[in-house]
Amino acid sequence: DVKVTQSSRYLVKRTGEKVFLECVQDMDHENMFWYRQDPGLGLRLIYFSYDVKMKEKGDIPEGYSVSREKKERFSLILESASTNQTSMYLCASSLLPGQGGTEAFFGQGTRLTVV
Amino acid sequence: AQSVTQLDSQVPVFEEAPVELRCNYSSSVSVYLFWYVQYPNQGLQLLLKYLSGSTLVESINGFEAEFNKSQTSFHLRKPSVHISDTAEYFCAVSFYSSASKIIFGSGTRLSIRP
Repeated sequence: DVKVTQSSRYLVKRTGEKVFLECVQDMDHENMFWYRQDPGLGLRLIYFSYDVKMKEKGDIPEGYSVSREKKERFSLILESASTNQTSMYLCASSLLPGQGGTEAFFGQGTRLTVV
Repeated sequence: AQSVTQLDSQVPVFEEAPVELRCNYSSSVSVYLFWYVQYPNQGLQLLLKYLSGSTLVESINGFEAEFNKSQTSFHLRKPSVHISDTAEYFCAVSFYSSASKIIFGSGTRLSIRP
């Protein structure tokens, strides 16, 4: 089974702190994604990466950056955390099109609270 | 622009009644389509997917969805729901592209009344 592991289930940080959310997948997937989930808004794509050191902005990249130095690891960085970044953060990975389907496999999520 | 619309934010139904959760998408290129389910306090799990071929796809727990290209829809149905189907359901699309992102709808919360 595909496993996507997020480093923390719950995290509390102070306003202005630099926050790192880590995600690791064990299935050699090319694609990795970071979403945030908020009630009534569904999942909104922050960034995605289709290869090592490659990244593309999603729909809401402002206030975030990402790092993909190794294929299995995709990090989300909040440069200076703010209270409006309090949310559930979901990491996912998938194959590329043409590799048998592109469904995403999700981690359990990190609930981040910024105080 | 590419988008996914789930028309109903909440759907309350009685146990053993049929249910349909609606999903429409907008895309200028060919798509893959998915339904995901999120049970309370859990992550998202794939429920079913359409990649190509038969437009009717089924899940192991009795859900089915039909791809309708002319109406750009991928509605999810179940003829008889159970209490255990209480969850939030997300429709999603990805695109025939080498740098493929996956876009999700806003979700539909299915609540089952005994």
